[in-house]
Amino acid sequence: AQSVAQPEDQVNVAEGNPLTVKCTYSVSGNPYLFWYVQYPNRGLQFLLKYITGDNLVKGSYGFEAEFNKSQTSFHLKKPSALVSDSALYFCAVRRGGTASKLTFGTGTRLQVTL
Amino acid sequence: ETGVTQTPRHLVMGMTNKKSLKCEQHLGHNAMYWYKQSAKKPLELMFVYSLEERVENNSVPSRFSPECPNSSHLFLHLHTLQPEDSALYLCASSQAMEETQYFGPGTRLLVL
Repeated sequence: AQSVAQPEDQVNVAEGNPLTVKCTYSVSGNPYLFWYVQYPNRGLQFLLKYITGDNLVKGSYGFEAEFNKSQTSFHLKKPSALVSDSALYFCAVRRGGTASKLTFGTGTRLQVTL
Repeated sequence: ETGVTQTPRHLVMGMTNKKSLKCEQHLGHNAMYWYKQSAKKPLELMFVYSLEERVENNSVPSRFSPECPNSSHLFLHLHTLQPEDSALYLCASSQAMEETQYFGPGTRLLVL
């Protein structure tokens, strides 16, 4: 079975400060890892993914995520947060190389304040 | 988000009603998905269609009935729902089942 843990229900950051949203996963075989963002009354928007290669993945809107195999983590980061980054962030995992289903975490609400 | 559209965006229905949710993808994808999103819970995968064939049905009650007439359209027919079925229903599509999924805006369903 595969699973995703997002240990923080909410992360609060001041605008201009760096942000980190944590994600750890469990999956057999190679992981394919994803981050999605959901704004109020909207669907999920794809941010970035790790399939293979460089452990640091860059995505949309200045976000990046670092894959750490030994810690089974895929934390989402941004060097300088914006108020407009306030949203719900979901981490997801799938077993690589297969058509297995995508398993999502429960989401982390990011609140960026002035 | 315009790549995957869903209608209606909001729906209120009684427990004896019959209604349908519609999803359309304009991305040329071959796989489509229905998810249920409830507060404080992970997204629940309901159904998966690949090349118009249902390939996954995650023990969803029979009051939910999917239909995929072609690779661009996906429906979710609703019948005699329960109040606990109130949720945001999200449609997604991908080029193939192992590829990145792209989501529609969702239908917010309230069952009274």
